[in-house]
Amino acid sequence: GIQVEQSPPDLILQEGANSTLRCNFSDSVNNLQWFHQNPWGQLINLFYIPSGTKQNGRLSATTVATERYSLLYISSSQTTDSGVYFCAESNTGNQFYFGTGTSLTVIP
Amino acid sequence: KAGVTQTPRYLIKTRGQQVTLSCSPISGHRSVSWYQQTPGQGLQFLFEYFSETQRNKGNFPGRFSGRQFSNSRSEMNVSTLELGDSALYLCASSDQWNSPLHFGNGTRLTVT
Repeated sequence: GIQVEQSPPDLILQEGANSTLRCNFSDSVNNLQWFHQNPWGQLINLFYIPSGTKQNGRLSATTVATERYSLLYISSSQTTDSGVYFCAESNTGNQFYFGTGTSLTVIP
Repeated sequence: KAGVTQTPRYLIKTRGQQVTLSCSPISGHRSVSWYQQTPGQGLQFLFEYFSETQRNKGNFPGRFSGRQFSNSRSEMNVSTLELGDSALYLCASSDQWNSPLHFGNGTRLTVT
């Protein structure tokens, strides 16, 4: 299967700070997605981004498919951004391989 | 549109029993996939169904099975439960491959 490496594993930020999360993939990128899992366990789809750059409010993501990595940017972080961020990729249908996640804590 | 709905939210079972979890996808979505999340192994793919056919299967024992109905609703079954089956089971739906995956709130299964 596809190996997905996420960094950093843990991140603690002061409210208002910016951050960059990274995913590296062992195989070609075709169906890359970013998710946020809130403290109640719900997984929310943030971006479907197999290539290029997308923005949604304070969040943006960039995928460089040729170099097999993706970045998630969080600007002006808020306490509600806390949780675990996952990236995932599939090479067959919707059989996704997930990274181990970046656990983000935003302190007021 | 209503989101992905999973029932029940919580389950407590005893070793050796079997369990059935249910998932209703977003209206119009034909792909339903299941994932197991544990602290030790993270998020792992179980299987995917598309138009009532199993399209992909992860590396889980045959005790884990699933099916999809003509209305796209899906069920997964775990027989002869083991302590290690305790996990959060997540169902996800999408319109097709190469489209956003949307997850339900999950079923938290505890095996005692």
